[in-house]
Amino acid sequence: GENVEQHPSTLSVQEGDSAVIKCTYSDSASNYFPWYKQELGKRPQLIIDIRSNVGEKKDQRIAVTLNKTAKHFSLHITETQPEDSAVYFCAARGQGGGADGLTFGKGTHLIIQP
Amino acid sequence: DAGITQSPRYKITETGRQVTLMCHQTWSHSYMFWYRQDLGHGLRLIYYSAAADITDKGEVPDGYVVSRSKTENFPLTLESATRSQTSVYFCASSESGRDQPQHFGDGTRLSIL
Repeated sequence: GENVEQHPSTLSVQEGDSAVIKCTYSDSASNYFPWYKQELGKRPQLIIDIRSNVGEKKDQRIAVTLNKTAKHFSLHITETQPEDSAVYFCAARGQGGGADGLTFGKGTHLIIQP
Repeated sequence: DAGITQSPRYKITETGRQVTLMCHQTWSHSYMFWYRQDLGHGLRLIYYSAAADITDKGEVPDGYVVSRSKTENFPLTLESATRSQTSVYFCASSESGRDQPQHFGDGTRLSIL
């Protein structure tokens, strides 16, 4: 089945700086890669996603890049703000084995220092 | 986001008891999913359903049972709860299982003593 690795597990950046979180996946047939933000005690919320026919996608301060050859994708947050502090999860959906659910990375705790 | 609701929000039970977690969505999404979230493991898929009366196993299905007699409901049952099933359980739904976003409920925090 699919395996997703996420790095780093903790990331501390100064307010206003950029943050980058990286993920790799194992199933070359995976075709959908969402990113979720989860605040303490809350539900995971989708912030951006990318499909395998696209290399990059942007939404205001958030961007995601996908390198299918290397099987990795990254989340970029620019001009970070205190409200960006949360745990971020990457995920991948493969096509094999009949499983239509997502395989998640273990999460990155993003801390925005004032 | 209010379109998917889980109940109860918190539950404490004892080992060996049966417990059912409820999930209800109002979007008429065809796909529904159950995940568990544990420290150090992230979110892991337990079971999913592509439509009413169609269910399939995910990564960690042992000890769990699901059913889906109606499109809007997807209950998860722990037939004989064990301490290792203490976790936060999230239900999610999507229009399809392909490249469509999954939207999560607020979760159920389950403690098994």
